Amino acid sequence: DQQVKQNSPSLSVQEGRISILNCDYTNSMFDYFLWYKKYPAEGPTFLISISSIKDKNEDGRFTVFLNKSAKHLSLHIVPSQPGDSAVYFCASYNDYKLSFGAGTTVTVRA
Amino acid sequence: DAGVIQSPRHEVTEMGQEVTLRCKPISGHNSLFWYRQTMMRGLELLIYFNNNVPIDDSGMPEDRFSAKMPNASFSTLKIQPSEPRDSAVYFCASSRLPGGEKLFFGSGTQLSVL
Repeated sequence: DQQVKQNSPSLSVQEGRISILNCDYTNSMFDYFLWYKKYPAEGPTFLISISSIKDKNEDGRFTVFLNKSAKHLSLHIVPSQPGDSAVYFCASYNDYKLSFGAGTTVTVRA
Repeated sequence: DAGVIQSPRHEVTEMGQEVTLRCKPISGHNSLFWYRQTMMRGLELLIYFNNNVPIDDSGMPEDRFSAKMPNASFSTLKIQPSEPRDSAVYFCASSRLPGGEKLFFGSGTQLSVL
């Protein structure tokens, strides 16, 4: 029973354009959301987070948007760069647990 | 800071054999997590330790799986006997916070059970 769902397994985008990754969650009690980035043969690394009391958080080229009524969050990467090619995991935090989505593989084309 | 260290990086074994995965968390971190990554289910939490004590092992799939944390700098995940469906990447992660929302992951162990 996945509480966090990433319905797009892959995304291909041209360098310089915007990448938009989507994530849906089921539990309205989740109070913190995070995005992790994973390169091949490495562990996931923390990218950006957002508290449920906010609807937007920005860090350089990365912005996360939270729509609580829709139980939806998204990650925007602008502009996309070749080094952004990786797997991105959405995660929700409740109590002590991080629940991850299945991941979206982003490929940035030159 | 060396980060979370996992060993081995790759493990190939035959069905029925015992497999032991090892993890050294970041010094000073008091929360440790074991995750498993598969194509179908993504990253699943197997077990969570806080101050060396197992707090939640509800994600451990079967009695064949066991985990220990004898001290603050070492943890093991054991599978006995191993089965082909256990093939996956196993990650260890640690955090300084009690809740552990910002986890630091190791590089993982790629397990293949033939």
